[in-house]
Amino acid sequence: AQSVTQLGSHVSVSEGALVLLRCNYSSSVPPYLFWYVQYPNQGLQLLLKYTSAATLVKGINGFEAEFKKSETSFHLTKPSAHMSDAAEYFCAVKGGTASKLTFGTGTRLQVTL
Amino acid sequence: KAGVTQTPRYLIKTRGQQVTLSCSPISGHRSVSWYQQTPGQGLQFLFEYFSETQRNKGNFPGRFSGRQFSNSRSEMNVSTLELGDSALYLCASSLGDASSGNTIYFGEGSWLTVV
Repeated sequence: AQSVTQLGSHVSVSEGALVLLRCNYSSSVPPYLFWYVQYPNQGLQLLLKYTSAATLVKGINGFEAEFKKSETSFHLTKPSAHMSDAAEYFCAVKGGTASKLTFGTGTRLQVTL
Repeated sequence: KAGVTQTPRYLIKTRGQQVTLSCSPISGHRSVSWYQQTPGQGLQFLFEYFSETQRNKGNFPGRFSGRQFSNSRSEMNVSTLELGDSALYLCASSLGDASSGNTIYFGEGSWLTVV
């Protein structure tokens, strides 16, 4: 079975500041890990995914995430926040032959001037 | 290349009615999954279809059902609607079997309100 914990349901940063959204996972098999973003009244857009090819994964819009097996973490970062980054972010895990994504509860990112 | 298309985008139904939601996957994608999103329960997996066969099912009552057609398009049906079924229903597709590391792409969702 897989599970995801996202620490912090709300994160607020100033424009230009570092964005760090935390995700810890639990999986009994090597996982596939994903970050999705959801803007208001929209579906989910894939930011990036980890499939064991490289531990540091670069995604769209300047986001990246690092897979750390020893810490069972897959935190999402962006060096400099932009107002357009304000949205809800979901970490998800899929393990082994499982065909479903298990999502975290989401983190709402607020970007202030 | 068109993304995952869901129809209708918004609908309002009365308790006890039934509803059918439709999903057209990205061209060439053979796996379609459905998820329910609510403020209280978050994102929950409903079911996944691959080549017209249901491969996996989430923990939802039998009122929730789905199917996939030979062209990979999918529908989900909810019968005897309850107020708690009000949610955003998201369809997702992937190129191959969703049990692999294939990227799963989501549609814009269908907003269902039950009154």
